[in-house]
Amino acid sequence: SQQGEEDPQALSIQEGENATMNCSYKTSINNLQWYRQNSGRGLVHLILIRSNEREKHSGRLRVTLDTSKKSSSLLITASRAADTASYFCATDASTGKLIFGQGTTLQVKP
Amino acid sequence: KAGVTQTPRYLIKTRGQQVTLSCSPISGHRSVSWYQQTPGQGLQFLFEYFSETQRNKGNFPGRFSGRQFSNSRSEMNVSTLELGDSALYLCASSLSFGGNSPLHFGNGTRLTVT
Repeated sequence: SQQGEEDPQALSIQEGENATMNCSYKTSINNLQWYRQNSGRGLVHLILIRSNEREKHSGRLRVTLDTSKKSSSLLITASRAADTASYFCATDASTGKLIFGQGTTLQVKP
Repeated sequence: KAGVTQTPRYLIKTRGQQVTLSCSPISGHRSVSWYQQTPGQGLQFLFEYFSETQRNKGNFPGRFSGRQFSNSRSEMNVSTLELGDSALYLCASSLSFGGNSPLHFGNGTRLTVT
């Protein structure tokens, strides 16, 4: 079974709006990572947040982590058409594997 | 630095054949992980190698195997191909193993089994 599950499965917004994606996981983690994947290509690492961190920023990206709720969110501010992609969260399960969720497909309309 | 290189980019095979995929990691990265991506199952972890040793393995049948060489390059092999093995196979390298550092992915090998 998947360790991380993203919500929503799909999101469509207008350019300039903010996009929020959520990730829930089942077991305790050491860190949580977010990745982006453009169609048919490999994944690109966005942010790694450790279990003792609550929030992390990178440019227009903001990631929060709530270990008590076993959830994380990825906020993309002032979205652009180029942000259109699938976004995945990944967690290091107790076995040391990095397990990915099913992803959120984001469409940003110009 | 050059990124992760996967070859070939596309592959078409027939049921029952075997296939070998290759992955060259970023220079200095000693960990290589392999994932299978399909529309129905998403990204599934295959295995992870670090310093030529398999550190972790996913829930795939024994037809799926891999290895890592002393220069950190890795190969994965799938024997007796089945239609369900059609997928995008992604390789990723990282500085350490076990999900403790970011993964750097190649663009994948798209395998089609007919």
